[in-house]
Amino acid sequence: DQQVKQNSPSLSVQEGRISILNCDYTNSMFDYFLWYKKYPAEGPTFLISISSIKDKNEDGRFTVFLNKSAKHLSLHIVPSQPGDSAVYFCAAKRYTGNQFYFGTGTSLTVIP
Amino acid sequence: NAGVTQTPKFQVLKTGQSMTLQCAQDMNHEYMSWYRQDPGMGLRLIHYSVGAGITDQGEVPNGYNVSRSTTEDFPLRLLSAAPSQTSVYFCASNPDRDNQNTEAFFGQGTRLTVV
Repeated sequence: DQQVKQNSPSLSVQEGRISILNCDYTNSMFDYFLWYKKYPAEGPTFLISISSIKDKNEDGRFTVFLNKSAKHLSLHIVPSQPGDSAVYFCAAKRYTGNQFYFGTGTSLTVIP
Repeated sequence: NAGVTQTPKFQVLKTGQSMTLQCAQDMNHEYMSWYRQDPGMGLRLIHYSVGAGITDQGEVPNGYNVSRSTTEDFPLRLLSAAPSQTSVYFCASNPDRDNQNTEAFFGQGTRLTVV
């Protein structure tokens, strides 16, 4: 059973606008969450993470929000740029382990 | 920095053939893992290792073997390839220092087709 879910397979956004990518999880033991970005024919690269002791983490244009009660996290990209067009995976893990659980990915297209 | 290196990048196998996907990392990471990526399924963990000589099964281990004789290398063996093993395979590593939260570093992937 999929413990990390990304229900939107794709998203299109105009350049300069905000992109919001969503992720839900079912395992309440998860306490560390990450977003990865993947271009075609390349491996995923780490983008941003958040620990369960926080509800927000920012890194430049990227902000991740965590709502533990709803078991939901989101990635905000502001402003969106054409180079942000990629597949975004969210992932989760438990503090006491190193196994990552990945969502199915959301393909973001930023339209110039 | 080379990071995580996977070879080959592409491979076509016939059903029943065996092969080894190579993975090497030069970051002295203790933890290494293999994932497969399939459409609509995300990345699923096949096998992982927390250090030389120690391996364990992930979510989808059937049909695959691994070994970890050195810190740097973590090969994935397909014993008798099946069309269901057609996928993109990613190797990843991350530090395992007292279970601190760290991100995984991925290789470029191996696209495997079994005909």
